[in-house]
Amino acid sequence: GNSVTQMEGPVTLSEEAFLTINCTYTATGYPSLFWYVQYPGEGLQLLLKATKADDKGSNKGFEATYRKETTSFHLEKGSVQVSDSAVYFCALSEKGGYEKLTFGTGTRLTIIP
Amino acid sequence: DAGVIQSPRHEVTEMGQEVTLRCKPISGHNSLFWYRQTMMRGLELLIYFNNNVPIDDSGMPEDRFSAKMPNASFSTLKIQPSEPRDSAVYFCASSLRLAGGNEQFFGPGTRLTVL
Repeated sequence: GNSVTQMEGPVTLSEEAFLTINCTYTATGYPSLFWYVQYPGEGLQLLLKATKADDKGSNKGFEATYRKETTSFHLEKGSVQVSDSAVYFCALSEKGGYEKLTFGTGTRLTIIP
Repeated sequence: DAGVIQSPRHEVTEMGQEVTLRCKPISGHNSLFWYRQTMMRGLELLIYFNNNVPIDDSGMPEDRFSAKMPNASFSTLKIQPSEPRDSAVYFCASSLRLAGGNEQFFGPGTRLTVL
């Protein structure tokens, strides 16, 4: 079956530090890959996505590249801000199905000024 | 667009009581998902519908849980009888099913506390 493994948290960084949150996946076929973000007290919202190998998703300074050879989709940001403090979820969905998402366990990120 | 609407936002009830959570998906979306989030178990998919038909309910914990989608603009998740271990945040999400990589839009969640 499908599964997503992401970096254990919590992660604490200073403002303007470089961020990497690792995500690897197991899936049959070639899934679509997503990063969702959850701010305190809110639902999840899509941060970025990639639908095929070597695609790069980007949004709000965050980037992730779909690496088929390493089955990875690591999230990166060059300079984090306090407002980036949230929980980040990596997820995948199989194409052609009912778009059911398989989520990782989430990584809590805290940015300190 | 108002986004996915869930009600109530908070629910506190006593063990044994019936609880009904409500969701209005985004207009035009044809898939709807119910999730449960807890510290211990993370985010779990309970059930999802496509065109108002339940497709996969394998995530529903037990018979005390039931979900319906009588029309394209409304869904309910019912717990009867409720138990303290049902305390969690319940999210509803909707999407428009197309070929490949569709975004799910989440509601703000209902925080359920069963005493």
